[in-house]
Amino acid sequence: GENVEQHPSTLSVQEGDSAVIKCTYSDSASNYFPWYKQELGKGPQLIIDIRSNVGEKKDQRIAVTLNKTAKHFSLHITETQPEDSAVYFCAALGSWGKLQFGAGTQVVVTP
Amino acid sequence: DAGVTQSPTHLIKTRGQQVTLRCSPISGHKSVSWYQQVLGQGPQFIFQYYEKEERGRGNFPDRFSARQFPNYSSELNVNALLLGDSALYLCASSFGRSGNSYEQYFGPGTRLTVT
Repeated sequence: GENVEQHPSTLSVQEGDSAVIKCTYSDSASNYFPWYKQELGKGPQLIIDIRSNVGEKKDQRIAVTLNKTAKHFSLHITETQPEDSAVYFCAALGSWGKLQFGAGTQVVVTP
Repeated sequence: DAGVTQSPTHLIKTRGQQVTLRCSPISGHKSVSWYQQVLGQGPQFIFQYYEKEERGRGNFPDRFSARQFPNYSSELNVNALLLGDSALYLCASSFGRSGNSYEQYFGPGTRLTVT
């Protein structure tokens, strides 16, 4: 069935270093892959997304890559800052607007 | 512009009771989706509504129901509450239904605690 796996579950990085989160999906029909950042007590915030006809997308310090053949997509955060600390979720869009989420990655950026 | 709004923020109910959660989408958005997020997990899809009709349903029991109003706001109802229904209930707003609109924007959620 539809499934999104996300790794790692926790990620500790020093301020200024890069962070990479990886996801795999199983639904071949998925064609849209958003990433969300969720801070404590808040709803998920859409930070970047990519569609299946694109291999890479960048927005300032954040980039996402997609390998549709391998069904992999990744989030890259460069020059991490303490305010990047949060839980990050990848997702894949299935039929009828259903987003299938990964289990989340707790990112901790230490000064 | 106002984002997605949800009410109430927090709610405490007893097992067996019924609850109604409310959501107002971003102005101009016609689709609302509901998700359940259990602590420590990713959100799980419950429903999608577009133009007041149910367009998608996740793997949730019939105790869960929803509706969308002419102004595109939505309500999620849960009957016969169980302890396992304790979660953060999230509403997501998008312009249209899957296929011609992808981005979903989430509200702050309603924290439901069932005792």
